[in-house]
Amino acid sequence: EVQLVESGGGLVQPGGSLRLSCAASGFTLSSSWVHWVRQAPGKGLVWVSRINNDGSDTRYADSVKGRFSISRDNAKNMLYLQMNSLRAEDTAVYYCVRDLGGAADVWGKGTTVTVSS
Amino acid sequence: EIVLTQSPATLSLSPGERATLSCRASQSVSTYLAWYQQKPGQAPRLLIYDASNRATGIPARFSGSGSGTDFTLTISSLEPEDFAVYYCQQRSNWPRTFGQGTKVEIK
Repeated sequence: EVQLVESGGGLVQPGGSLRLSCAASGFTLSSSWVHWVRQAPGKGLVWVSRINNDGSDTRYADSVKGRFSISRDNAKNMLYLQMNSLRAEDTAVYYCVRDLGGAADVWGKGTTVTVSS
Repeated sequence: EIVLTQSPATLSLSPGERATLSCRASQSVSTYLAWYQQKPGQAPRLLIYDASNRATGIPARFSGSGSGTDFTLTISSLEPEDFAVYYCQQRSNWPRTFGQGTKVEIK
């Protein structure tokens, strides 16, 4: 079964850091781009970041640029999101999403990040 | 940044009725538009990609149309499991952007 499983979420104080992980199974992660998308409580979907197949190209939303860093380890079939200088407005469920030729066709169940003192 | 505006915000319909959801882009996105369905407590599910292509396993009652700045998602006859929130997303430009969502609720 093709699936993505996120982990690493939790409660962190403002200014703190977290690293999210996303494990892929049932397919080879290197065959696709991967995105992180987040959703604040009761709100809509917001695109956060994307990494291409080999990790040579990354993109970020302006709201996280300079604070978040996306990376991947294709040998381990893993994707990561390093989040630094966290703010209350980063509180959300974070989804890992496979992008196969323009279709964001596989979504993980999400991991919850709460930034609060 | 391309802004996607979805209308209406809420659509109140009965099972068996036709649902028509709109997504308008602030500039042309060609046909690089997708639709997602999200139910409470669940991750979004891809319905339509590149404006009119149904994703794998999506029933034929879901169809997408449009190009440029105006797009439509049509559900030909609502089933009970179709009551959910629907989002459009463009992949024409960075950053990728989503619409604010349309909630389809039971009348």
